Amino acid sequence: GNSVTQMEGPVTLSEEAFLTINCTYTATGYPSLFWYVQYPGEGLQLLLKATKADDKGSNKGFEATYRKETTSFHLEKGSVQVSDSAVYFCALGQISNFGNEKLTFGTGTRLTIIP
Amino acid sequence: AAGVIQSPRHLIKEKRETATLKCYPIPRHDTVYWYQQGPGQDPQFLISFYEKMQSDKGSIPDRFSAQQFSDYHSELNMSSLELGDSALYFCASTSEGVAFFGQGTRLTVV
Repeated sequence: GNSVTQMEGPVTLSEEAFLTINCTYTATGYPSLFWYVQYPGEGLQLLLKATKADDKGSNKGFEATYRKETTSFHLEKGSVQVSDSAVYFCALGQISNFGNEKLTFGTGTRLTIIP
Repeated sequence: AAGVIQSPRHLIKEKRETATLKCYPIPRHDTVYWYQQGPGQDPQFLISFYEKMQSDKGSIPDRFSAQQFSDYHSELNMSSLELGDSALYFCASTSEGVAFFGQGTRLTVV
């Protein structure tokens, strides 16, 4: 079955540091890949996505590239801010037998940014 | 823009009681998902509906059932509640493969 393996947290960084959160996946076929972010007390929000190999998703300074050869979708940001403190979930989506997309999540990585 | 609405936001129940959680998806989204997120855990897929029919089933206990109604809202019914059912329950609806999540219902079983 499908699975997502995500870098364990928590991760604590100073403001303006470089961020990498690793994510690798196992899936049959060609899934779509996502990063979702969960701020305190809120639901998950889509951060970025990539739908095919070598696609780069980007949003709010975050980037991730769909690497089929290494089955990875690592999240990066060049200079983090205190407001980036949240839990980040890597996920893959695959079309089910019914034609809709089913998401499989990683375990989440809690990121704390210190001023 | 309208988002996914879940109610109630918080719910406290005693063991062996019954709870009903409601989800109102974004208009014109055709798929609804339910997820359970235990404390410090990743979201676990419970069940999904596509055009009001159950389309997939995950790790949903037999004590739980769900349905999607003609207006596309969905309800998750949970009976014989156990302490381990305490969690955040998310509903999501999808459009073009992207899931939009509600803020969740926090269920506490005491």
